[in-house]
Amino acid sequence: EVQLLESGGGLVQPGGSLRLSCAASGFTFSSYSMIWVRQAPGKGLEWVSEISAGGGGTYYANSVKGRFTISRDNSKNTLYLQMNSLRDEDTAVYYCAKGLMGATTNWGQGTLVTVSS
Amino acid sequence: DIVMTQTPLSSPVTLGQPASISCRSSQSLVFSDGNTYLSWLQQRPGQPPRLLIYKISNRFSGVPDRFSGSGAGTDFTLKISRVEAEDVGVYYCMQATQFPYTFGQGTKLEIK
Repeated sequence: EVQLLESGGGLVQPGGSLRLSCAASGFTFSSYSMIWVRQAPGKGLEWVSEISAGGGGTYYANSVKGRFTISRDNSKNTLYLQMNSLRDEDTAVYYCAKGLMGATTNWGQGTLVTVSS
Repeated sequence: DIVMTQTPLSSPVTLGQPASISCRSSQSLVFSDGNTYLSWLQQRPGQPPRLLIYKISNRFSGVPDRFSGSGAGTDFTLKISRVEAEDVGVYYCMQATQFPYTFGQGTKLEIK
């Protein structure tokens, strides 16, 4: 059974940094692209970033480009999202998802990031 | 960026009756490999999203056959043949043909 478990969320001040992790199990992690999607309170879904299976390709939403960095450690079956220069509008639940066939086939439960002074 | 527009934004439906959600993209979603990377997701209250349909019309594992997807190019539809109580939630279309991937605004399905 595919399992994705996000961690690392919390309260951070504007301008601060946070690193999210997503521990994967139940599938061959190194064979799949991985995706971060966020959802602000009461709002819809926003695609944040994607990383290719081997880690050589990374892609970002314009709203986070230059501030967020996606990475992965295939030896640890873990996906990361380093978030710097955080803004109020980055407040959201952050989900990691497994990518396949141009879709997000499995999702974690999410971790809440709150940016506030 | 490709803009995804869903209609309606809210859909009150009677149990056992059909429901339909439309999703329109601002440009063609046909990728250079010939595939169209349009998917549909369901988000029940308090839950993470769940994949229902990928590449326009392919049901994901475990998805009931009352859910179906159709369309081509820029116009796509999700249909539920007979709505059940467990179908309440918000439905999103998503395009993965071009970065940045984008979602529709979401359609809230509720029971009358």
